[in-house]
Amino acid sequence: NAGVTQTPKFQVLKTGQSMTLQCAQDMNHNSMYWYRQDPGMGLRLIYYSASEGTTDKGEVPNGYNVSRLNKREFSLRLESAAPSQTSVYFCASRRYQETQYFGPGTRLLVL
Amino acid sequence: QKEVEQNSGPLSVPEGAIASLNCTYSDRGSQSFFWYRQYSGKSPELIMFIYSNGDKEDGRFTAQLNKASQYVSLLIRDSQPSDSATYLCAVNFEGGGNKLTFGTGTQLKVEL
Repeated sequence: NAGVTQTPKFQVLKTGQSMTLQCAQDMNHNSMYWYRQDPGMGLRLIYYSASEGTTDKGEVPNGYNVSRLNKREFSLRLESAAPSQTSVYFCASRRYQETQYFGPGTRLLVL
Repeated sequence: QKEVEQNSGPLSVPEGAIASLNCTYSDRGSQSFFWYRQYSGKSPELIMFIYSNGDKEDGRFTAQLNKASQYVSLLIRDSQPSDSATYLCAVNFEGGGNKLTFGTGTQLKVEL
């Protein structure tokens, strides 16, 4: 039981490049989330998926897209990376009204 | 906009003392409340959750909820250097679906 896994752990991009952050959970959770964490800003919700087949914008969705591929997997795509997207990205999953579990994070640097 | 407020700290306490961390939230109808601990460079991990008014104890940790005053606190008894971390308060706001709103966290330093 691996919980929530994320790949890659660390990535360096040049401005304008694209990439996809992968997230998978093996806890049979319905809901999955993508957050970014910046110093002094706390965890900010980018997108979430309440259940397979649905996605919704969070607090800071601009510049990102998501895909809920199946119940296990939820990916985050940066189409044209910008330095402002330098951050630590966390994926999380949750069964309804229960505890939310986080993945180990992806550290992204955009030059 | 629904908000969760925490003092950023750092909160410094001597080893063996009680650390008291506080969190206020903006929506009186909020239903569930969570405390996460985050070590530097790591992901948040759940310490406790509380749904009802009053206290909930788990080992050295006690969560206290006062819905009328809209605050939730976390007490850490017999603080250890290993408790040094950032503590995040999260709230499931009424009408927020299955989303949690996080505070910015309080940094706790336990000094020898």
